[in-house]
Amino acid sequence: NAGVTQTPKFRVLKTGQSMTLLCAQDMNHEYMYWYRQDPGMGLRLIHYSVGEGTTAKGEVPDGYNVSRLKKQNFLLGLESAAPSQTSVYFCASLLFAGTANTEAFFGQGTRLTVV
Amino acid sequence: AQKVTQAQTEISVVEKEDVTLDCVYETRDTTYYLFWYKQPPSGELVFLIRRNSFDEQNEISGRYSWNFQKSTSSFNFTITASQVVDSAVYFCALSDQAGTALIFGKGTTLSVSS
Repeated sequence: NAGVTQTPKFRVLKTGQSMTLLCAQDMNHEYMYWYRQDPGMGLRLIHYSVGEGTTAKGEVPDGYNVSRLKKQNFLLGLESAAPSQTSVYFCASLLFAGTANTEAFFGQGTRLTVV
Repeated sequence: AQKVTQAQTEISVVEKEDVTLDCVYETRDTTYYLFWYKQPPSGELVFLIRRNSFDEQNEISGRYSWNFQKSTSSFNFTITASQVVDSAVYFCALSDQAGTALIFGKGTTLSVSS
C-alpha cells in the first residue's frame, strides 16, 4: 500500500527485551493507528494518534507505549517484551474520517516473536 | 462503545457461487463510517469500500456489492460468481466521525474452491 512504511518487518525478541516499531507515512495524514493481529481475534487497536504530539489508548494498550513527535512518524514501544506480545503488528494512517474517499492506508505489517 | 460483529468465522464455497459476508455494528454516533478490507494470504490489507452513515445507497463494483441498512445496523458484502482469487480474510470496520477509533471485526475467512 502506498505511503505507509513499517520498520522492521520481522523481529525475534527475548522475554524482557525492549524494542521500538516505527511507522512512517508520507501522505501528511493526521490520524495514525497501531493494531495487533492475532488468529481469530481480528485487528485490535492498541493506540492511536489524532495529530502530532497527541496519543490515546485503544482497545488493548497494556504493555505498549507510543509517541508521535513528528506528524509523519508513529512509534510503538515495548518496554519489556512478553510472549503474549507475539503477534503481527499493523500501522495505519488516514487524513480525516470526514474527508471524501478517505481510507485507512496500512503498512505491510511487522511479525514479532517473543521467546 | 463501538463494536463490529462478523458472526461468520469461516465460509467455504465452490467457484461461481454467490456469497454474502455479514457485518453488524454498534455505535451511538449519528455520523460514522463503515469500511470493508480484504486480507489475502500474502497478508496485506486491501481497502475495498468506505461508506458514511448518511449514504444508504447500495454500492456495486464489478462482482462486489454492499448492502447498508441503518435500520438493522448492518453493512453486508456480497461477492457474485466467486473466484478462487477471492479467497481471503475479509474485515468490516467502523469509525466515528472524528476517526478517533477505527474498530475492526474479527474477520470472516472465505475459501473458494475450484
